[in-house]
Amino acid sequence: EAGVAQSPRYKIIEKRQSVAFWCNPISGHATLYWYQQILGQGPKLLIQFQNNGVVDDSQLPKDRFSAERLKGVDSTLKIQPAKLEDSAVYLCASSLVSIGRGAYEQYFGPGTRLTVT
Amino acid sequence: QKEVEQNSGPLSVPEGAIASLNCTYSDRGSQSFFWYRQYSGKSPELIMFIYSNGDKEDGRFTAQLNKASQYVSLLIRDSQPSDSATYLCAVKEGAGNNRKLIWGLGTSLAVNP
Repeated sequence: EAGVAQSPRYKIIEKRQSVAFWCNPISGHATLYWYQQILGQGPKLLIQFQNNGVVDDSQLPKDRFSAERLKGVDSTLKIQPAKLEDSAVYLCASSLVSIGRGAYEQYFGPGTRLTVT
Repeated sequence: QKEVEQNSGPLSVPEGAIASLNCTYSDRGSQSFFWYRQYSGKSPELIMFIYSNGDKEDGRFTAQLNKASQYVSLLIRDSQPSDSATYLCAVKEGAGNNRKLIWGLGTSLAVNP
C-alpha cells in the first residue's frame, strides 16, 4: 500500500514570497490533515479535511495560509506572503475516518522542509 | 487549555535495557492515546495506540494506560541503538464534534551501544 506522498521535499524562499505544497493521501483515506512542526516541538494542526470539506481550521493563519482539497483526494497548502517564522516542516497526514474509537490512526507523509530567508 | 506533557529528555539508556517514556494529559475525558516515533529529519511514525486501562504489548513495545491518574507510558524492552529517536505522545480530545489530537513536545531517547 502506497503511503502519503508530499512534494516538494525541500523549499527555500525569501520572505514575502509565496509557496505551495502538495499532498496525496493514502488511497481510501477520507480525512486529511496539514500540520506545521517547528524544530523541537510537536506537530501543530493547521487544517483538517473530511473528504473535500473543512472540519477544523481554527489554527490556520488565514491571512496568509490557505488550503484546498478538490475532489476529496489531493490537497494543496499555500502560504502567501511567507514570513521568517513560517520556517518549519509541513506534514501531511491521512486517516480512514476522523471520528470514532479505533479509527483515528494517522499516517504521515515525509514532510516538506520550508526555509524562509 | 488541554495539554499533553512529556519530559523532553534526553533519556539515555544502555543497549539491552528497558526504556520508559512517560506522558501525562489534562483532558480527563480522553479515550484514545497514541505513541509516535520520529527519527531526526523524518516524519512521525505510529508505533502504538491504546484505548483501555492496562497494558498493551506489541513486540518489544508495551503501552500502559492509567486513566484515573491521566498517565500513559511506553516501555521499550531490549532497547537497540535503532530505537534512538524522539517519541511523541498524542491524546485524542475527549469531547466535541471534531476531536483533535493534542500532541506532546516529545521525549528524545538515546540508546547507547
